[in-house]
Amino acid sequence: DGGITQSPKYLFRKEGQNVTLSCEQNLNHDAMYWYRQDPGQGLRLIYYSQIVNDFQKGDIAEGYSVSREKKESFPLTVTSAQKNPTAFYLCASSIGGSPLHFGNGTRLTVT
Amino acid sequence: ILNVEQSPQSLHVQEGDSTNFTCSFPSSNFYALHWYRWETAKSPEALFVMTLNGDEKKKGRISATLNTKEGYSYLYIKGSQPEDSATYLCALHSSNTGKLIFGQGTTLQVKP
Repeated sequence: DGGITQSPKYLFRKEGQNVTLSCEQNLNHDAMYWYRQDPGQGLRLIYYSQIVNDFQKGDIAEGYSVSREKKESFPLTVTSAQKNPTAFYLCASSIGGSPLHFGNGTRLTVT
Repeated sequence: ILNVEQSPQSLHVQEGDSTNFTCSFPSSNFYALHWYRWETAKSPEALFVMTLNGDEKKKGRISATLNTKEGYSYLYIKGSQPEDSATYLCALHSSNTGKLIFGQGTTLQVKP
């Protein structure tokens, strides 16, 4: 079955450490997105990529980095520069004008 | 920053009530308007993708309309059921940047 896999589901890190969230899709989708959700808020766009080897900053890119070396993969690194990294992170993909397919999310807690 | 606004923020209705939500967005650089339903402990699920001014789409008891000239979309639920309880998100797909920007969502609670 095609889909998007995010791993791990829960992640705990100490403040000051970088951490990478995985997002893999086997839907052959060109576009991939990373969103962040905080309690009481909607989804905010961190980074997106419309094609391999290219990506653009979303509205809240500071403290994050991404790569898109393969069509299937769009990992997100939360760096120590991100001031409030504790959040729920959702990855999504799409092709053309189709709706987004979402992964199940990763809940990151930084203490 | 593109600003997508949803209202109301939350809604409590009785089973059988019909209800509607609003999504407002800037009408410039419009490519598409998406609606999603997000149930607790699940991933958001697509309801509709709308692209043309005047579009109306329907899926069971849920329907949506689109006005790209004035920058709004309505989502209607007819005869709400407890299983309709969820957060409903709209998202604007921008034509010039390719960004998909979400509103903050409307959380619906349907009481039996």
